[in-house]
Amino acid sequence: EAGVVQSPRYKIIEKKQPVAFWCNPISGHNTLYWYLQNLGQGPELLIRYENEEAVDDSQLPKDRFSAERLKGVDSTLKIQPAELGDSAVYLCASSFSGVAEQYFGPGTRLTVT
Amino acid sequence: AQSVTQPDIHITVSEGASLELRCNYSYGATPYLFWYVQSPGQGLQLLLKYFSGDTLVQGIKGFEAEFKRSQSSFNLRKPSVHWSDAAEYFCAVGPFTNAGKSTFGDGTTLTVKP
Repeated sequence: EAGVVQSPRYKIIEKKQPVAFWCNPISGHNTLYWYLQNLGQGPELLIRYENEEAVDDSQLPKDRFSAERLKGVDSTLKIQPAELGDSAVYLCASSFSGVAEQYFGPGTRLTVT
Repeated sequence: AQSVTQPDIHITVSEGASLELRCNYSYGATPYLFWYVQSPGQGLQLLLKYFSGDTLVQGIKGFEAEFKRSQSSFNLRKPSVHWSDAAEYFCAVGPFTNAGKSTFGDGTTLTVKP
C-alpha cells in the first residue's frame, strides 16, 4: 500500500515569492492534515480536512497561507508571499474519518532566503 | 488546554543498553496517547498508541510504553537499543476520534553510541 506522498521534497525560494506544496493521502483516508514543523519542535496543525471541507483551519495564517482539497483527495498548500520565518518542514498526514491514528508523509523542507 | 512535555531534549545511550523516554501530558478528558519516531528527512511513523485497557502497550520495533494516569505520564521504553533506533521521538495526545486535534511534544533526539 502506498503511503502519503508529498512533493516537492525540498524547495528553496526567495522571500516574497509564492510556493505550493502538494499532498496525496493514502487511498480511502477521508481526513487530511497539514502540519508545520519548525526545527527542534513537534508538528503543529495548520489545517484539517474532512473530505473537501476544511473543518479546522484556526491555526492557518490566512493572510498568506491558503489550502484546498477540491475533490476530497489531493491537497495543495500555498504560501504567498513567503517570509523568512516560513522556513520549516511542511508535513501532510491522513487518516480514516473518526480515527485519530495519522499516517505522515515525508514532508517538504522549505528554505526561504 | 492540552499539552505534552518531553523533558529530555537529547538522550545518548550505548548500543545494547536500555532506553526510557519520558512524556508527560495534560488533557481534560480520557487521552489517546501516541509515540511517533522520525528519522532524518522522513515523516513521522507511529510506534504505538494507547486509549484504554492494559496500561502497558507493545509497539513496533521492540518498543513498549506504560500509561500512568496518576502521574499523567506515558513513557516509552526499549530493553536493548540498536544503532538504527537513533532518531527523534515524539509523544502526542489527542481525542479518541479526530474530531479534535492531536498535540505533539517537542521531541527527544536519541543518539546511540557504538
